[in-house]
Amino acid sequence: EAHLVESGGGLVKPGESLRLSCAVSGFTFSDAWMNWVRQAPGKGLEWVGRIKSKIDGGTTYYAAPVQGRFIISRDDSKNTLYIQMNSLKTEDTAVYYCTTLWYGDWGQGTLVTVSS
Amino acid sequence: DIVMTQSPDSLAVSLGERATINCKSGQSVLSSSNNKNHLAWYQQKPGQPPKVLISWASTRQSGVPDRFSGSGSGTDFTLTISSLQAEDVAVYYCQQYYDVPFTFGPGTRVDIK
Repeated sequence: EAHLVESGGGLVKPGESLRLSCAVSGFTFSDAWMNWVRQAPGKGLEWVGRIKSKIDGGTTYYAAPVQGRFIISRDDSKNTLYIQMNSLKTEDTAVYYCTTLWYGDWGQGTLVTVSS
Repeated sequence: DIVMTQSPDSLAVSLGERATINCKSGQSVLSSSNNKNHLAWYQQKPGQPPKVLISWASTRQSGVPDRFSGSGSGTDFTLTISSLQAEDVAVYYCQQYYDVPFTFGPGTRVDIK
């Protein structure tokens, strides 16, 4: 059974940075194309970005609101997905999920609050 | 970007009755390379992550009750709950994975009447 555990969330001020991690077990992480999805309080789901497997090039893609500020990476030796979030804005406040999306694996999420 | 819309925004259905949620994409999500619709349906209950119910527009995920079904092709899709149960109270989202940026519909809240 797949298990995804996000960590690293917390309260930060606008303009600051934060790195989230997602530890994965239960499937072959190195083969998986992974995504980050976020959900602002009381709002819907928003795709943030994805990273392909290294064998497929490791290419990253980002949603427009985070392009140039967020960087997704992976460490297949640690079965861990990351998202480096820079220049955070109040509108980045959300629960961040790591997920394989339609393949069905989702973490429980970690809350990021950006507030002065 | 492919814009996803859903209707209705919310609905209330009696226990045992049918619930129908519609999803429309701004452009076709039917791939000519695999002849599949790149469309998924998710269920989200309060305080929980989303759970995928349906992928490829009509393929039910393992363990999902058969009262949930997906249909449609191209730009118009439907999620049907054939006989609503109390545990089906949730928000339902459609999502296209035909092209990045992947996009979700705004969600449909389902309650018991």
